[in-house]
Amino acid sequence: DGGITQSPKYLFRKEGQNVTLSCEQNLNHDAMYWYRQDPGQGLRLIYYSQIVNDFQKGDIAEGYSVSREKKESFPLTVTSAQKNPTAFYLCASSSLEDQPQHFGDGTRLSIL
Amino acid sequence: QQQVKQSPQSLIVQKGGISIINCAYENTAFDYFPWYQQFPGKGPALLIAIRPDVSEKKEGRFTISFNKSAKQFSLHIMDSQPGDSATYFCAADNDMRFGAGTRLTVKP
Repeated sequence: DGGITQSPKYLFRKEGQNVTLSCEQNLNHDAMYWYRQDPGQGLRLIYYSQIVNDFQKGDIAEGYSVSREKKESFPLTVTSAQKNPTAFYLCASSSLEDQPQHFGDGTRLSIL
Repeated sequence: QQQVKQSPQSLIVQKGGISIINCAYENTAFDYFPWYQQFPGKGPALLIAIRPDVSEKKEGRFTISFNKSAKQFSLHIMDSQPGDSATYFCAADNDMRFGAGTRLTVKP
């Protein structure tokens, strides 16, 4: 079945630690996205990529980093510079502009 | 800098009733308006979408009404069921900006 796989489902971060969230898609989509979801605030864009080896900052990129070395993969690193990382992180992909985004089932990140 | 404003934030409807969620956008260049449905612990999934060349689109119990001059669009859920209880998000274009979401509760 085609889709987006996010892992792990739950992740815990210690103070001063970087953690990486995985996102893989087998939909052959060019564009991939990372969102952060906090209660009552909807979805906020962290980073997006429309082509391999290229990506752009979204509205809340500070404290996060990404890479896009393969079309299928778009990992997100939450760095120690992100002081409030507790949230639900969603990865999405789409084929073209004006087409729906397909979402993974998210990773819930918490602070130890 | 929210370009899509969604209301209400939460909505409680009795089973069999009509649920209505509204969105307003700013950029007149937008030409694709999807609605997403999200269940707890899951990612959003496309529910229904419309383009501005039509004023209404219906799929089963779900209808989008679109008012281009007012820059507004709304989701109507007819005969609402407890299984419809979820959070609904509107979006405009593939602008990567979503409405803040509406938590719908349908009481049996």
